[in-house]
Amino acid sequence: AQSVTQLDSQVPVFEEAPVELRCNYSSSVSVYLFWYVQYPNQGLQLLLKYLSGSTLVESINGFEAEFNKSQTSFHLRKPSVHISDTAEYFCAVRADDMRFGAGTRLTVKP
Amino acid sequence: ETGVTQTPRHLVMGMTNKKSLKCEQHLGHNAMYWYKQSAKKPLELMFVYNFKEQTENNSVPSRFSPECPNSSHLFLHLHTLQPEDSALYLCASSLHGTGGTGELFFGEGSRLTVL
Repeated sequence: AQSVTQLDSQVPVFEEAPVELRCNYSSSVSVYLFWYVQYPNQGLQLLLKYLSGSTLVESINGFEAEFNKSQTSFHLRKPSVHISDTAEYFCAVRADDMRFGAGTRLTVKP
Repeated sequence: ETGVTQTPRHLVMGMTNKKSLKCEQHLGHNAMYWYKQSAKKPLELMFVYNFKEQTENNSVPSRFSPECPNSSHLFLHLHTLQPEDSALYLCASSLHGTGGTGELFFGEGSRLTVL
């Protein structure tokens, strides 16, 4: 079965700074990769996904992630964060079923 | 209407109570899921239903009993729970189940507290 490791449980940054949330996975078969975001008292919302094609995928709110097969990584980046980006971010891998990492709490400070 | 609706949003129950969580999806999906979200732990996949048939039971204790009467509705029946079962229970759906490639759509969760 596949597994996901999010290397940082908490990432504090100042507003307008760049941020990278790291995600590594392991799987013996081809996988599909996702980033979800969870705001307080809400469910998970899809941020972006990689299924095939270009290894760089983008979201509508400025986040991007790059699939790196050799390093088995799918790190999430944003060049300039806003206060409203404060949330929990989950990396997920789908082979047979969807498996999630433990989450990274991004806190954007003014 | 939101795509995946969960009720109740909050539930407090004693260890001897019987209660149920309900999930309904309006997306025309064929697969539905229950996940457990506890603090500081990864989301735990509990059950998967594909076309109303249970395709995965992830070693969940029998005090949790799922029911999927059709592809749009999913229940989680709760009986003689323990305090460590307190968590956020998330329902999700996807177009295809095991072996599919698409994303999951989540409800807002049911926050369960067991006293």
